[in-house]
Amino acid sequence: GEDVEQSLFLSVREGDSSVINCTYTDSSSTYLYWYKQEPGAGLQLLTYIFSNMDMKQDQRLTVLLNKKDKHLSLRIADTQTGDSAIYFCAESYTASKLTFGTGTRLQVTL
Amino acid sequence: EAQVTQNPRYLITVTGKKLTVTCSQNMNHEYMSWYRQDPGLGLRQIYYSMNVEVTDKGDVPEGYKVSRKEKRNFPLILESPSPNQTSLYFCASSYQTPYSGNTIYFGEGSWLTVV
Repeated sequence: GEDVEQSLFLSVREGDSSVINCTYTDSSSTYLYWYKQEPGAGLQLLTYIFSNMDMKQDQRLTVLLNKKDKHLSLRIADTQTGDSAIYFCAESYTASKLTFGTGTRLQVTL
Repeated sequence: EAQVTQNPRYLITVTGKKLTVTCSQNMNHEYMSWYRQDPGLGLRQIYYSMNVEVTDKGDVPEGYKVSRKEKRNFPLILESPSPNQTSLYFCASSYQTPYSGNTIYFGEGSWLTVV
């Protein structure tokens, strides 16, 4: 079955860039997503990328997709304390659901 | 405003006492789904519905029931809750299925504790 993996924790200094990585097993994924979850809150869609794209940029966010290695990354430029949250990558392989990674907790230090 | 509304947001209940978590969306979406979130496991799908009267199991359906009698509502029913169903639950909806890349809207989550 499909599987999505992420590292559990990342700590960066304010102003630095953050890179959150994700690997997935299913090469048939059509869309790959990044969601943000702030403490006590729901899921907020940050961005998504279609599987025929290599890169997508949206203001401070850059998504890179390496289909050969089944690797997805989210780069946050100029990381701020407000970026502290759990970040989930997810893929839509089947028509019925998203498959989520375990989430990466981003801690931004001063 | 586009919304997915879940109730209750927080609930502590006892083992075996039936409960229902409601989910309602105001966007006329066809697709709705329930997920549970547990530490270190991410979100796992419980049930989903492609349209009215069309529901199917996700990855972790045991101990749960759903119904889709009307397009806007998709309640999650725990007939006899057990402590291993203590979790954070999310309802989601989208115009079409996630496969087509449509924006998926999530509710704010329902924290459920079963003691």
